Amino acid sequence: DAGVTQSPTHLIKTRGQQVTLRCSPKSGHDTVSWYQQALGQGPQFIFQYYEEEERQRGNFPDRFSGHQFPNYSSELNVNALLLGDSALYLCASSEQGIYGYTFGSGTRLTVV
Amino acid sequence: AQSVTQPDIHITVSEGASLELRCNYSYGATPYLFWYVQSPGQGLQLLLKYFSGDTLVQGIKGFEAEFKRSQSSFNLRKPSVHWSDAAEYFCAYTGGSNYKLTFGKGTLLTVNP
Repeated sequence: DAGVTQSPTHLIKTRGQQVTLRCSPKSGHDTVSWYQQALGQGPQFIFQYYEEEERQRGNFPDRFSGHQFPNYSSELNVNALLLGDSALYLCASSEQGIYGYTFGSGTRLTVV
Repeated sequence: AQSVTQPDIHITVSEGASLELRCNYSYGATPYLFWYVQSPGQGLQLLLKYFSGDTLVQGIKGFEAEFKRSQSSFNLRKPSVHWSDAAEYFCAYTGGSNYKLTFGKGTLLTVNP
């Protein structure tokens, strides 16, 4: 049974560009959350998607947007990249109403 | 706003020694508490979780944690550390209808042979 799958694993982008990160949740999970983990820090909540709607959002600018598809997979989009967006982006999936989160291995984004 | 504090940034222990990692959370009526471990460059693996009931919870890899409501703490323990336990450990909290996980800044564990 595959866990949470994220792609790509690494990527390098230039300031001002746009990036899309992808996440496939664990089988049976219908809720996807995204977190940003800067070097040496704990993960910070970006937003959560359920039933293709953004249900909750953390303290991130509108440059960060997302989408959830009918098969529960999700994308995180970041526009107008800044050097400070360099981080490990983690996707976590869970089952509605169940407080149990499974994390993927993350996408390491480097902005140069 | 909910918050999680991990007072120890870095802990070094000898292999075979006991371990306790500290975690304190801000007040919440119904705390849901987690401990995750992260190896370098990897995602987070759940060690254990507390929702309700018995305040001493057992997790994977021989870890346990004790919830103390009076102290707003959820400390992680292991009686005998193995070299493979070297990693970063994160305590996390969510409360009530708030869906997001709030993480501490982590404790880096080094294990000396």
